[in-house]
Order: sequence, then C-alpha cells, then structure tokens
Amino acid sequence: GQNIDQPTEMTATEGAIVQINCTYQTSGFNGLFWYQQHAGEAPTFLSYNVLDGLEEKGRFSSFLSRSKGYSYLLLKELQMKDSASYLCAVRDSNYQLIWGAGTKLIIKP
Amino acid sequence: GAVVSQHPSWVICKSGTSVKIECRSLDFQATTMFWYRQFPKQSLMLMATSNEGSKATYEQGVEKDKFLINHASLTLSTLTVTSAHPEDSSFYICSARDLGQGDTGELFFGEGSRLTVL
Repeated sequence: GQNIDQPTEMTATEGAIVQINCTYQTSGFNGLFWYQQHAGEAPTFLSYNVLDGLEEKGRFSSFLSRSKGYSYLLLKELQMKDSASYLCAVRDSNYQLIWGAGTKLIIKP
Repeated sequence: GAVVSQHPSWVICKSGTSVKIECRSLDFQATTMFWYRQFPKQSLMLMATSNEGSKATYEQGVEKDKFLINHASLTLSTLTVTSAHPEDSSFYICSARDLGQGDTGELFFGEGSRLTVL
C-alpha cells in the first residue's frame, strides 16, 4: 500500500530552526510537495521537489532523497505565525496526490 | 499565483436537506478540479476528481449519488451534498491546477467550506 509518515506534532521556540521529516512509500514518484495549513483554513503551497537535493525559498527549505524515500522541510528563524500544520504529499505514478496526516507545529515564545 | 474561490465559507443546514458548494478558478481555466474532505485534526481526503464536460471520478468509498459533482464550465465546479446528515459535517475544500503556467503539480486551493449539519 501507499504510505506517508510524518510526526504528529512538534514544538519549537521562536527564532529557532525546526526540521519536519517525511518518509514515503508510494507506487511510483512524480514529485513531493509541502503545504502549510493554518487551523480552519485551506492549505497553501510551500515547496515542490522532484529531483534529489535541497530547494531553498526564503526561510523555508525542502530536501528530497528519492533513494531513501525521504524528505524534510526546514524552517529557519521561526515566527509565531509559523504555528500551523505542515502537510507532506507525494504524487504517485498515476499522478495522484497521496497526503500525509500532517505535522502540527507549535511555536513557543 | 492562480486564485481559486470557494463559496460559501460556512453553511449550517438541517438534516435531510441538500447543500451546494461552488468552486471557481478566477484567473485560469481548470479542466480538472479536486474535491477534498477534511475532518478535524486529520489530513485531506480526496473525494473525487471533477472533469469539465464529463462525469466526475469518485474515490473508493465515496457515494456518488450523495455527493453530486457538476463541472459545467472551465471555471466552475459544484459539489452538492444531498440529504445531508450530521456525519457529513466536515471541512470541504476544492483545488485545481493551473496548467497554463506549466504543470509543476502545485495545487491551488479554495478557502474551504465548513458544513455543519444539525
């Protein structure tokens, strides 16, 4: 079966760095996505990785290793507004998005 | 980025009634839209893929006669929850891809519609 694993919840301090991991087992791979979702709102796109390596976009970076079925989202200089759920999603060989359950990130002052 | 608008944002209805939710792509044409349902503290669950001019493709376990999807134009898809029951209360979200900008696969989401069935 297809499976995406990410931690349920993480806590970090304002101004610090946090890494949210995502491992996946899917039938084929056509890209991995990270989305941010604040409570009660729809998800917003953060990043897209299809090749191995690190993609940097401001305070957020996303890393992919296809051979390991592994990705992480790195958030630097954490701000209180970064408190949200972070969803990892993989597009499989049928171009269907498989969603992880999301990681709830709690930022403390 | 592309904009997807969803309406209504909140709806409360009585059990047994039907509710229609609209999803519009405002600045691009979407031949395909996706409808998701999300229960509290859970991830997105794909309900169906809405195809312009043809029948929607439903995921396993989703009743097509209960969740009617109509994709009548390139910018509008509607989801109608028929004979709603309290267990249908959920957050319904639509999304679409803007293929005109090259398909990176990025999904643009509507604001979501929170349905409460009394």
